[in-house]
Amino acid sequence: AQSVTQLGSHVSVSEGALVLLRCNYSSSVPPYLFWYVQYPNQGLQLLLKYTTGATLVKGINGFEAEFKKSETSFHLTKPSAHMSDAAEYFCAVSDRGGYNKLIFGAGTRLAVHP
Amino acid sequence: DAGVIQSPRHEVTEMGQEVTLRCKPISGHDYLFWYRQTMMRGLELLIYFNNNVPIDDSGMPEDRFSAKMPNASFSTLKIQPSEPRDSAVYFCASSLLRQGTDGYTFGSGTRLTVV
Repeated sequence: AQSVTQLGSHVSVSEGALVLLRCNYSSSVPPYLFWYVQYPNQGLQLLLKYTTGATLVKGINGFEAEFKKSETSFHLTKPSAHMSDAAEYFCAVSDRGGYNKLIFGAGTRLAVHP
Repeated sequence: DAGVIQSPRHEVTEMGQEVTLRCKPISGHDYLFWYRQTMMRGLELLIYFNNNVPIDDSGMPEDRFSAKMPNASFSTLKIQPSEPRDSAVYFCASSLLRQGTDGYTFGSGTRLTVV
């Protein structure tokens, strides 16, 4: 069965610092991978996704993630944090051959300090 | 498109009352999902539909919960009778299957409080 592990339920960075949110997955075959962001009192928004091709994926708001098959990881990064990045981030995995069902990680809450 | 629309945004009800949450998916999307989000359990998939047919309801916590999708543009999640432990944010999401690549579009959620 597929699963997603997000390391660190809370991450705190200073404005302008590197953001690194970690995600590892468990799957018998390379899955589709997603990052979603949830701002307070809102639904989840798709940040970026990996399906096939280039393993470095760029998303909205300057975020990017790299699929590393050997490490079964899909970590999310942003070179310079902005106050507006404060939110909760969810990593998710989808079965390539299945019913498009997404399995979400537990989420990482990102705080950005001035 | 206006996105996935959920109503109401907030619902406060007394224990034992029936609660109905509503969702309008994006036009043309053939999958619809109901999730529940709590601090303790995170995001839980309750049930999902494909072309209005329930595919997997294994996440529905108990018989008090039921979901329907009478047509492609409307779904409901009903809790009867409601209990305080049902307090959570309930999200509806829809997607268009393209070999699983599209991800979901989420609604803004319904915050349910059962007192």
